[in-house]
Amino acid sequence: AQSVTQLDSHVSVSEGTPVLLRCNYSSSYSPSLFWYVQHPNKGLQLLLKYTSAATLVKGINGFEAEFKKSETSFHLTKPSAHMSDAAEYFCVVTPYSSASKIIFGSGTRLSIRP
Amino acid sequence: EAQVTQNPRYLITVTGKKLTVTCSQNMNHEYMSWYRQDPGLGLRQIYYSMNVEVTDKGDVPEGYKVSRKEKRNFPLILESPSPNQTSLYFCASSLTGVNTEAFFGQGTRLTVV
Repeated sequence: AQSVTQLDSHVSVSEGTPVLLRCNYSSSYSPSLFWYVQHPNKGLQLLLKYTSAATLVKGINGFEAEFKKSETSFHLTKPSAHMSDAAEYFCVVTPYSSASKIIFGSGTRLSIRP
Repeated sequence: EAQVTQNPRYLITVTGKKLTVTCSQNMNHEYMSWYRQDPGLGLRQIYYSMNVEVTDKGDVPEGYKVSRKEKRNFPLILESPSPNQTSLYFCASSLTGVNTEAFFGQGTRLTVV
C-alpha cells in the first residue's frame, strides 16, 4: 500500500530563516515523489520531483528536497524564506508501477513572519 | 500556452440538480484525473483516465461520473449533487501518469445547498 504523511499541518518561520517541510512516504514499489505548491486561490504548481535519479533534487524558487530511502523521507527545504513563499505545500507519491494511484499528503501551510 | 482549463470557477447549486464541470487540456496528455480538496484532507482522487474511453475510480468516486470521449476533455458529472459534495475541485493532466509532472487547472469551487 502507498501512503504519504506530511508531519506538520502548519509551519511558521521568519523571513530570511530556513524552511523545513517534512514528508514521509510508504510505497511497495520504487516511488516517484513530488512537491507541489498552492498559492491562495490558485491551482497547484510543481516545485520539484524525484524519479530515481539524483537523491538531492533542486526545484524552482530555491527549494530543494532530499530523497532518503532508509528513512522513507522526502523533506522540502529552503535556506532563506521569502514572504512570497507563504502558501500550502503538498507532498505527492506515485508508485512507479502504477499510474492510477497519485497520492497527496494532507498539506502543510507555510506562513512567513516579517 | 500549455494549460488545463476548468469551467466554471465558482458554482452554487441546489441539491439534486445535475451539473457538469468541464476540463480541457491542450498538451495532448494521455492521463487526466479529478480531485476534490477539503480542509485537513488534502487532495483526494475521484476518477482518472489513462486514455480515451479508459476511465477508472479513484479513492472517492461515489456520486460522480466522468467520460473521456476525446483526449483533451474530461468532464466531471454530478448527477444528483448533495451538500457533502461541496468542495474545491481540481482537474489535472499529465503525459502518462507515471513519473510525469501533473498540470492542474485553477479549480472549481462548488457549493451545494
